[in-house]
Amino acid sequence: DIVMTQSPLSLSVTPGEPASISCRSSQSLLHRSGYNYLDWYLQKPGQSPQLLIYLASNRASGVPDRFSGSGSGTDYTLKISRVEAEDVGVYYCMQTLQTRTFGPGTKVDIK
Amino acid sequence: QVQLQESGPGLVKPSETLSLTCGVSGGSIINYYWSWVRLPPGKGLEWIGYIHSSGSTNYNPSLKSRVTLSLDTSKNQFSLKMTSVTAADTAVYYCARVSVVATIVSYNYHSMDVWGQGTTVIVSS
Repeated sequence: DIVMTQSPLSLSVTPGEPASISCRSSQSLLHRSGYNYLDWYLQKPGQSPQLLIYLASNRASGVPDRFSGSGSGTDYTLKISRVEAEDVGVYYCMQTLQTRTFGPGTKVDIK
Repeated sequence: QVQLQESGPGLVKPSETLSLTCGVSGGSIINYYWSWVRLPPGKGLEWIGYIHSSGSTNYNPSLKSRVTLSLDTSKNQFSLKMTSVTAADTAVYYCARVSVVATIVSYNYHSMDVWGQGTTVIVSS
């Protein structure tokens, strides 16, 4: 089974400042297609999760361009270029190469 | 605009079976995958499994022995059954649509793009 880890598990950010979340998988998520099978989801307080990034670096429809994903193999990063108040919540990476596994989540709040 | 709505008992006794249904409105369940995810209190998201409208399924290995997903195309809904529940199964349960978000060469890549609002299930006697 693929195990996902994230760091940090908690992050407090000043509005307008950048933020970065790391996600690591226990084995490479590189698919034979040449793409990395990783999604990022955000669960805002009191809401259902929403898809942010798919295939490690592609923004989902309607996602602001301040969100970006990068990485390959076993190491991935979600970056928010300038955090806004509406970005608070828990961010999860999820591997999709073998069934599905979520990371433990990173809680982001505003200073 | 596709909308999903979970329904089912909010309280289940230990050792009994948890049964939830996800009603789909604004679109057909045909030709999609449909998934269940849960959020236990104080913990992170856990993927439970998915089912395609053809009936094919894929389950979380850690839950596979207790979980069955099914769907009813005539009612445009899909369901989750989890047997022998314990307090550890207490969670908010979400249903989600799994859509093709990218086509890479000959591969379709799927992500959970539409979610229900979630329903709380408490396992307690």
